[in-house]
Amino acid sequence: KQEVTQIPAALSVPEGENLVLNCSFTDSAIYNLQWFRQDPGKGLTSLLLIQSSQREQTSGRLNASLDKSSGRSTLYIAASQPGDSATYLCAVPSMDSNYQLIWGAGTKLIIKP
Amino acid sequence: DTAVSQTPKYLVTQMGNDKSIKCEQNLGHDTMYWYKQDSKKFLKIMFSYNNKELIINETVPNRFSPKSPDKAHLNLHINSLELGDSAVYFCASSQRDRGTYEQYFGPGTRLTVT
Repeated sequence: KQEVTQIPAALSVPEGENLVLNCSFTDSAIYNLQWFRQDPGKGLTSLLLIQSSQREQTSGRLNASLDKSSGRSTLYIAASQPGDSATYLCAVPSMDSNYQLIWGAGTKLIIKP
Repeated sequence: DTAVSQTPKYLVTQMGNDKSIKCEQNLGHDTMYWYKQDSKKFLKIMFSYNNKELIINETVPNRFSPKSPDKAHLNLHINSLELGDSAVYFCASSQRDRGTYEQYFGPGTRLTVT
């Protein structure tokens, strides 16, 4: 059964720093991996989707990498800003139940001005 | 244009009441989902519909019943609400045959049962 883990659960860094969020999954047979952002009391915003055949995806200051063999993905945020403060979630579609997403618990990121 | 919309955004009600949350997607997707996010912020699948047929029914109480009048809508009915039903409910949609399995989410409905 697929399990998704995100470490650390919370991270606080000064503005301007580059940072890396981690996501690991137990079953390397995945279709893709999605990174989401959730602001307090708000909905889910899809940031990046990496297909299983891809190694990385980039969007602005965000870069997501995928290493299926090791069951890991990282989300790299360059030159962090206070507006990046949010909870970041990763998820993979289940391979056996019509692609329901299996979620990590998220990393709560705080960027200090 | 809103891709996946949910109504209401906030719902406050008393124990024992029956309520519904509506979801609509205008993406032409054939699969829709309901997820529940509990107080610990963990997301779990509740239901999924593909072309108006239920394809997932996780172990949720039978007080929860999804209804899909057409493939653009997946509504969630909840009977005899309990305090533990308080959570944020997210609707999502995807297109199964595109091979990407990317899911698009609505803004969520925050349900508070008092």
